[in-house]
Amino acid sequence: DQQVKQNSPSLSVQEGRISILNCDYTNSMFDYFLWYKKYPAEGPTFLISISSIKDKNEDGRFTVFLNKSAKHLSLHIVPSQPGDSAVYFCAASHFGNEKLTFGTGTRLTIIP
Amino acid sequence: SQTIHQWPATLVQPVGSPLSLECTVEGTSNPNLYWYRQAAGRGLQLLFYSVGIGQISSEVPQNLSASRPQDRQFILSSKKLLLSDSGFYLCAWGSGTATYEQYFGPGTRLTVT
Repeated sequence: DQQVKQNSPSLSVQEGRISILNCDYTNSMFDYFLWYKKYPAEGPTFLISISSIKDKNEDGRFTVFLNKSAKHLSLHIVPSQPGDSAVYFCAASHFGNEKLTFGTGTRLTIIP
Repeated sequence: SQTIHQWPATLVQPVGSPLSLECTVEGTSNPNLYWYRQAAGRGLQLLFYSVGIGQISSEVPQNLSASRPQDRQFILSSKKLLLSDSGFYLCAWGSGTATYEQYFGPGTRLTVT
């Protein structure tokens, strides 16, 4: 049972435009959500997170939006840069759980 | 600041040979530790996690085992490797307290031939 889903395996965006990566979840107990960025042959790096008490969190070019009623979150990157080309994973957890549940990832390609 | 190390970076092993991958964390005490595997074109699969020395939880039945002999050391092992054990192995740590973030090491690329 895939509790965290990233339905778009890949996405291509022109440099300078906005990249929007989507993630859906099914477990209503999840109350904390994270985005990771991964380059090939490297470990994922933590990007940004959001608690379920918020609906938006911003850090520089990265903004995460959470829609609890739809069980949906999205990561906006604006403006997109060539260095943003990577695989992006969303992850979720809940209070008292030491584990993260990851989605399958979306490969973002920024076209110069 | 905290640092996480994994070695080796790459490994090619024949089927049936043993495996030992090591992960160490610096700059933090009593971290939660995790082993993940990323198979080719797949997401991150949690294999084991540990909340303390000698405490190991296994997430999926498999040919691998994990041990935590010291507070900041986490070892992934196998007595006999299978072809299906090939993949990219990642170690991660988390503070296990107020935040959920996990921080990953550089990974080990294992190819079983």
